[in-house]
Amino acid sequence: SQQGEEDPQALSIQEGENATMNCSYKTSINNLQWYRQNSGRGLVHLILIRSNEREKHSGRLRVTLDTSKKSSSLLITASRAADTASYFCATDTSGNTPLVFGKGTRLSVIA
Amino acid sequence: DAGVIQSPRHEVTEMGQEVTLRCKPISGHDYLFWYRQTMMRGLELLIYFNNNVPIDDSGMPEDRFSAKMPNASFSTLKIQPSEPRDSAVYFCASSLTGLNEQFFGPGTRLTVL
Repeated sequence: SQQGEEDPQALSIQEGENATMNCSYKTSINNLQWYRQNSGRGLVHLILIRSNEREKHSGRLRVTLDTSKKSSSLLITASRAADTASYFCATDTSGNTPLVFGKGTRLSVIA
Repeated sequence: DAGVIQSPRHEVTEMGQEVTLRCKPISGHDYLFWYRQTMMRGLELLIYFNNNVPIDDSGMPEDRFSAKMPNASFSTLKIQPSEPRDSAVYFCASSLTGLNEQFFGPGTRLTVL
């Protein structure tokens, strides 16, 4: 079953612009993670944000979490062609439960 | 560390044949996960192991699917007999704990004709 749902399903922007992807989930979570998947490759972990955190940064990535709205956003600033990939959010609920992944947002950055 | 290793990278087989996918997790990781990815259903968790013991196999679609982890450095996912609807990319991932980041292998692209 899908816990996280990313929005939009696809996003196309010009190089240098910012890209924002959103994730909504249904039940209370312990952690929320974002992953990137380049075409034909496995997923790569980007960032983890805990339920008691509101914002986290890593390089050009900024993640926010709003537990009252059950949503998270991933912002990529100053996008590059190399950022072209699918981006997934994944959540785990309290306890030792495995991650549940959304269907992802396909980001295309045009040079 | 070489990361999570999967073999084969590509597999083309005919309906009814047995298929075995292999995975070597990152050394020291206690958790191993098998996923299936398709355009229609996205990324689905099939089964996961903790310290070589299967914890949750509720995602395994049918009895035709089975998975084993005979030791900490090796796992297999077997489909017998295979069907065209099993065509997908199968990923193996490992993690230090069940709640940490997961490290994914490159995947096995399975095509069943």
